[in-house]
Amino acid sequence: DAGVTQSPTHLIKTRGQQVTLRCSPKSGHDTVSWYQQALGQGPQFIFQYYEEEERQRGNFPDRFSGHQFPNYSSELNVNALLLGDSALYLCASSFWGSGTEAFFGQGTRLTVV
Amino acid sequence: KNEVEQSPQNLTAQEGEFITINCSYSVGISALHWLQQHPGGGIVSLFMLSSGKKKHGRLIATINIQEKHSSLHITASHPRDSAVYICAVRSETSGSRLTFGEGTQLTVNP
Repeated sequence: DAGVTQSPTHLIKTRGQQVTLRCSPKSGHDTVSWYQQALGQGPQFIFQYYEEEERQRGNFPDRFSGHQFPNYSSELNVNALLLGDSALYLCASSFWGSGTEAFFGQGTRLTVV
Repeated sequence: KNEVEQSPQNLTAQEGEFITINCSYSVGISALHWLQQHPGGGIVSLFMLSSGKKKHGRLIATINIQEKHSSLHITASHPRDSAVYICAVRSETSGSRLTFGEGTQLTVNP
């Protein structure tokens, strides 16, 4: 049983470009959350998807958008990249609801130059 | 002030030592997670707690809901325990969204 898989593992983009990161949740999980982790800091919540809708959103600008597909996989899109968007982007999957454990992917390391 | 505070930020120990990492939080929670992150980024869930104490191998996690405090203990520490340990909480009103502490960098020397 595959856990949470993210692609790509590493990515280098130029300021102003757009990027798409992908996440496949653990088998059976229906909820996907995205987090941004800057170097030396704890992860920060970006948003969460369930039933193909954004259910919660953290304090991130509209340049950050997402999508969830019928098979529960998810994409994170970032437009007009800034140097400050350089970070590790983590995807976590779980069952919908507050009582379930989250499983994390290995993350995508995004570097904006 | 962050909703989740961890201490210490950095911890260096000798192999075999007993280690304690602390986590305090300021919101009502439905669950608290202890997570381990190795260089390269992947996060592994160690424990999910809502009350009491859990043990897995050499790892023990405790939580005091009234005091809004949790501890992660590592007995007989080993160099392979070297990693960042992160406390994260799920608040009563946030569904499955997690709020993370800054992490504790643990280095265990042989």
